[in-house]
Amino acid sequence: SAVISQKPSRDICQRGTSLTIQCQVDSQVTMMFWYRQQPGQSLTLIATANQGSEATYESGFVIDKFPISRPNLTFSTLTVSNMSPEDSSIYLCSVRSGNQPQHFGDGTRLSIL
Amino acid sequence: SQELEQSPQSLIVQEGKNLTINCTSSKTLYGLYWYKQKYGEGLIFLMMLQKGGEEKSHEKITAKLDEKKQQSSLHITASQPSHAGIYLCGADTGSWDNDMRFGAGTRLTVKP
Repeated sequence: SAVISQKPSRDICQRGTSLTIQCQVDSQVTMMFWYRQQPGQSLTLIATANQGSEATYESGFVIDKFPISRPNLTFSTLTVSNMSPEDSSIYLCSVRSGNQPQHFGDGTRLSIL
Repeated sequence: SQELEQSPQSLIVQEGKNLTINCTSSKTLYGLYWYKQKYGEGLIFLMMLQKGGEEKSHEKITAKLDEKKQQSSLHITASQPSHAGIYLCGADTGSWDNDMRFGAGTRLTVKP
């Protein structure tokens, strides 16, 4: 299965700032996704990162708040903009090719003060 | 939209005991996946089930998908402290981007 490197693994940020999370895969993959996992809860899909075009966002998530890039088939970034304490979560990158299972990065644990 | 309900929400067992976690879907499952998550970390893929009646095993963990394809169970035999974590079931949504939805998870504690 693909090896996924997600950075940073954790960060503590000030209110109003932005943080960019990187996801690097060791092989080309068809689909890349970004999830949020709030404390004690399950995963919620933020968006599908589309290579060379704008990401597809789920209801409740907007590009201005969570801009996503995917310049090629092995790399994507998620930015959490103008952060507030409600954005404190684990953010997870996942990848999928065809009907294979999704595989996940180790996540980024984000705390906003 | 498809909902996945997991039960129980949490489970505490003595080392060596068997246990079962259930995942029930509001719709027919076309692909059902089991993952394990250690606290604050990413998800580790365990097993994938696609056919009604299918059963798969890996070491002491067995997963089944019922014939009607709306429920799956994960069974751990002779549990060990290394089995502790959060177990999540996930299902294909059938959408264009092949994304998944997840259950709320079952937190397993194994007491030595």
